[in-house]
Amino acid sequence: GESVGLHLPTLSVQEGDNSIINCAYSNSASDYFIWYKQESGKGPQFIIDIRSNMDKRQGQRVTVLLNKTVKHLSLQIAATQPGDSAVYFCAENEYGNKLVFGAGTILRVKS
Amino acid sequence: DTAVSQTPKYLVTQMGNDKSIKCEQNLGHDTMYWYKQDSKKFLKIMFSYNNKELIINETVPNRFSPKSPDKAHLNLHINSLELGDSAVYFCASSRDRGTDTEAFFGQGTRLTVV
Repeated sequence: GESVGLHLPTLSVQEGDNSIINCAYSNSASDYFIWYKQESGKGPQFIIDIRSNMDKRQGQRVTVLLNKTVKHLSLQIAATQPGDSAVYFCAENEYGNKLVFGAGTILRVKS
Repeated sequence: DTAVSQTPKYLVTQMGNDKSIKCEQNLGHDTMYWYKQDSKKFLKIMFSYNNKELIINETVPNRFSPKSPDKAHLNLHINSLELGDSAVYFCASSRDRGTDTEAFFGQGTRLTVV
């Protein structure tokens, strides 16, 4: 079936460096994508979203890039901080707000 | 104030028991969901309700029965619990059924079946 997957299960970065988390999706009909952050013991928290009519969207320290040609999504975090350590999920929004999540990437920030 | 709250946060129970998890959202959203997160952190939708009407029902055993008394509440009842039901269950809500609104998640209920 259709699914969203992540290339890297664990990413370790030095504090202050930039982080890039990647995601490949397979449902070409999906037109809305979301990145979530999940800290230990908590629920997923919305970070940033992007619609399929855009290829880039920026937030505070975060940027999401969408490449529909290769069905690829990435999350860039600038100046990564210890508080960014978490599991990051990409998700595609199918019909009726059905979110299909990728497997998740663990981001570890080294001080 | 907590936007999406679910209780209990932890639930330990024996196989064969029946248990319920409650969820409430104070965001005024029309759509609510239950997701299951397994031990590998994989999140999968189970159910979705819009204005108390069942919209999405993924391939979930019929031992799981959601109940929505009003659009601010979506409870999950599980009969005859099995070891494989152990997981973290997340309730979520979103503004509507459109394809461009994010879901807000609760803190999760960690269910352990022994």
